Amino acid sequence: ELKVEQNPLFLSMQEGKNYTIYCNYSTTSDRLYWYRQDPGKSLESLFVLLSNGAVKQEGRLMASLDTKARLSTLHITAAVHDLSATYFCAVDRETSGSRLTFGEGTQLTVNP
Amino acid sequence: EAQVTQNPRYLITVTGKKLTVTCSQNMNHEYMSWYRQDPGLGLRQIYYSMNVEVTDKGDVPEGYKVSRKEKRNFPLILESPSPNQTSLYFCASSLKFGGFSYEQYFGPGTRLTVT
Repeated sequence: ELKVEQNPLFLSMQEGKNYTIYCNYSTTSDRLYWYRQDPGKSLESLFVLLSNGAVKQEGRLMASLDTKARLSTLHITAAVHDLSATYFCAVDRETSGSRLTFGEGTQLTVNP
Repeated sequence: EAQVTQNPRYLITVTGKKLTVTCSQNMNHEYMSWYRQDPGLGLRQIYYSMNVEVTDKGDVPEGYKVSRKEKRNFPLILESPSPNQTSLYFCASSLKFGGFSYEQYFGPGTRLTVT
């Protein structure tokens, strides 16, 4: 059974600081997704990582994938309040994109 | 506007009363899926569909049914809802290319309470 673990589950940080959210998973997979969810809202796709060593950046967020270590990271640079949200990673179990296992989510609060 | 819509957005019902949550997408996506979100558990997949008339169970299919008669619609049916099905439900769709589905677009969610 595929397990996906995120840490930390709760993160409170100051504006302007850097931090990393980790996503570990238990079985082999080459595809990993990051999503953002604002309170009371739906999920929004942030990154799709499709191979070992993949790195993607959008604004202050950068995601990477190390399939050998079964680890993805979401790095936040110079955080701003607008980044406050819950971030989920999801791992594809069947290389078709059809069977995603989600992590529990990391609730990020950026304080002014 | 490209979107996934769900109805209703909020529903309070009683145990055993059959209900349907509709999901529709206007992006001509082949793949559609239903998830439930519960605190501390992330999202768990209920059912998914790779195309019309093709559906399969996800991780938590018990107590749910789906159908995919048209490409744009993927309703979720609870034949006899129970309180443990109280949850936030999301429908999602994605494009399938070369046998692979890309990032999923999520609907706004349906908050269901079963008393």
